[in-house]
Amino acid sequence: QKEVEQDPGPLSVPEGAIVSLNCTYSNSAFQYFMWYRQYSRKGPELLMYTYSSGNKEDGRFTAQVDKSSKYISLFIRDSQPSDSATYLCALNTGGFKTIFGAGTRLFVKA
Amino acid sequence: DAGVIQSPRHEVTEMGQEVTLRCKPISGHNSLFWYRQTMMRGLELLIYFNNNVPIDDSGMPEDRFSAKMPNASFSTLKIQPSEPRDSAVYFCASSLLDSYEQYFGPGTRLTVT
Repeated sequence: QKEVEQDPGPLSVPEGAIVSLNCTYSNSAFQYFMWYRQYSRKGPELLMYTYSSGNKEDGRFTAQVDKSSKYISLFIRDSQPSDSATYLCALNTGGFKTIFGAGTRLFVKA
Repeated sequence: DAGVIQSPRHEVTEMGQEVTLRCKPISGHNSLFWYRQTMMRGLELLIYFNNNVPIDDSGMPEDRFSAKMPNASFSTLKIQPSEPRDSAVYFCASSLLDSYEQYFGPGTRLTVT
């Protein structure tokens, strides 16, 4: 079993839709939860970062962590074509090593 | 700030040749990571440096891979000899010590024929 599972998609939605991206994980030691966005032929960039359980909101983006279910989510409200990218969840126990999900490819159609 | 700089951006080489990938981290960052990204395996950590010292190289696939960081502003990843299965995008990332925010370079797309 992989440490982090993420559906690779692709996920295609119309502009304005609410997007839900998810990851599940198996290691209960993960404490730091991140979402990176990767545009085509670019490096990943950090989008959201949360510590332990709970919600964090930043503009149109909301990150949720449910440690009891080992489930993390990223919600995008009012999705835009410019949100089309691959979204990778990333988890860390507190050390130097961050484990990345496989990434979900998102397409937002105008 | 120019961000993390990687060169070359694209490399096409024949099997058996030596390949050297280069990285300049963000000034002031003291942690440096080399990753490999493929469709099959996703983003994999190859090696991690802290203050120019290799801390963990357990992700380096084989002895054909080696990495150095002679100073705080330069690192190389070398593959010798290269094989077709090494074809991937190689990313360098840097961060401040004890920060989980990693800044990635644009990557080097390596194709070994």
